[in-house]
Amino acid sequence: DSGVTQTPKHLITATGQRVTLRCSPRSGDLSVYWYQQSLDQGLQFLIHYYNGEERAKGNILERFSAQQFPDLHSELNLSSLELGDSALYFCASSAALRTGGRTEAFFGQGTRLTVV
Amino acid sequence: AQSVTQPDIHITVSEGASLELRCNYSYGATPYLFWYVQSPGQGLQLLLKYFSGDTLVQGIKGFEAEFKRSQSSFNLRKPSVHWSDAAEYFCAVGLYNQGGKLIFGQGTELSVKP
Repeated sequence: DSGVTQTPKHLITATGQRVTLRCSPRSGDLSVYWYQQSLDQGLQFLIHYYNGEERAKGNILERFSAQQFPDLHSELNLSSLELGDSALYFCASSAALRTGGRTEAFFGQGTRLTVV
Repeated sequence: AQSVTQPDIHITVSEGASLELRCNYSYGATPYLFWYVQSPGQGLQLLLKYFSGDTLVQGIKGFEAEFKRSQSSFNLRKPSVHWSDAAEYFCAVGLYNQGGKLIFGQGTELSVKP
């Protein structure tokens, strides 16, 4: 058990809809990262939050947004969903920002999103 | 731009045989290096990591990896593969003061023959 909790595990929704994925980081970790895993793109970094503030953006679509709350849990919001958004979405947490990157990331089990 | 290459998409080995999974990175300085494993329906589990120092690092489940600066490589090895090692393996690079985000290779799927 990595200590990172993601809900829900599976999500099936229709095109055009909006969904929210939730992540609770490991106790003590202030950083939360979101990654998307798809067959064609592999594992891609989406966005990084640290203690409630956005720190870095990767290949995240404008239809996607995230936030981190005062209790450090994070939500990834996906809107106007398209078939191509079907993927496994991972959340990870780490203490890397405090260590200059010299710390591993711990991953949740992911949310499998299917857009039909 | 930084990149990570895992040249082998799929590898099949016999149980008990040795294993080497290749990973090459492209980056101007020495990055931080990781190997993760993903079993079907599971999240990513860290096998081992390299930050500095001894270039041969030991991980969990009997895996080891060797950092070779001259070849920009961080290959994963195991002397004797078990059927339970069948999974997808990802090499990842983290960069100094980049906040801990990781750049992943495309993954290598390992199948184990009885």
